[in-house]
Amino acid sequence: GAVVSQHPSWVICKSGTSVKIECRSLDFQATTMFWYRQFPKQSLMLMATSNEGSKATYEQGVEKDKFLINHASLTLSTLTVTSAHPEDSSFYICSARGQGIATQETQYFGPGTRLLVL
Amino acid sequence: GEDVEQSLFLSVREGDSSVINCTYTDSSSTYLYWYKQEPGAGLQLLTYIFSNMDMKQDQRLTVLLNKKDKHLSLRIADTQTGDSAIYFCAEGPAGANNLFFGTGTRLTVIP
Repeated sequence: GAVVSQHPSWVICKSGTSVKIECRSLDFQATTMFWYRQFPKQSLMLMATSNEGSKATYEQGVEKDKFLINHASLTLSTLTVTSAHPEDSSFYICSARGQGIATQETQYFGPGTRLLVL
Repeated sequence: GEDVEQSLFLSVREGDSSVINCTYTDSSSTYLYWYKQEPGAGLQLLTYIFSNMDMKQDQRLTVLLNKKDKHLSLRIADTQTGDSAIYFCAEGPAGANNLFFGTGTRLTVIP
């Protein structure tokens, strides 16, 4: 149980385009979802926290107009990187926490999405 | 803010035990976690420990928590080549929504 999927697993796009990444909880209801960014050989950096049905809370330094987060249902959150630039190239990982799993405090992570902006 | 530190690298021989250490600063943490990340993949939850425990064992994994020293360790018994990965410790402070991750320890298992 507690499986989180992400789609796509990797994406290459041109500079200036927008990219949408989906995060789904497959067998539980995710009341809270988190979006992280990971640069090569570095730890995870929390970008934002989203609760179902409400606006996301962004960490300091993360542009909310650039990284649009929607958590419209208990099983789906999306991250849209708008007008992507090469410096947005990174590994984006989502995690989810919620109801119907053994430990409601625990975050379960998706497999990540690798974004390359040319 | 919260600070979680780990050593960056650890090499062990196959069959030996591995011990990965982590120190943290927030004494209010309710849960402490160990995650494993294989190359190009997301994080896999290995185990977690509640802050009122000092030890938890799960098959080859043993977690030790010294709350006084704010020190957490993960011991992997009979380390196998498939255990080669990056291991992250993370703390979940009381009242906070998110986790704070350490820098990760890259474990290399030598056949």
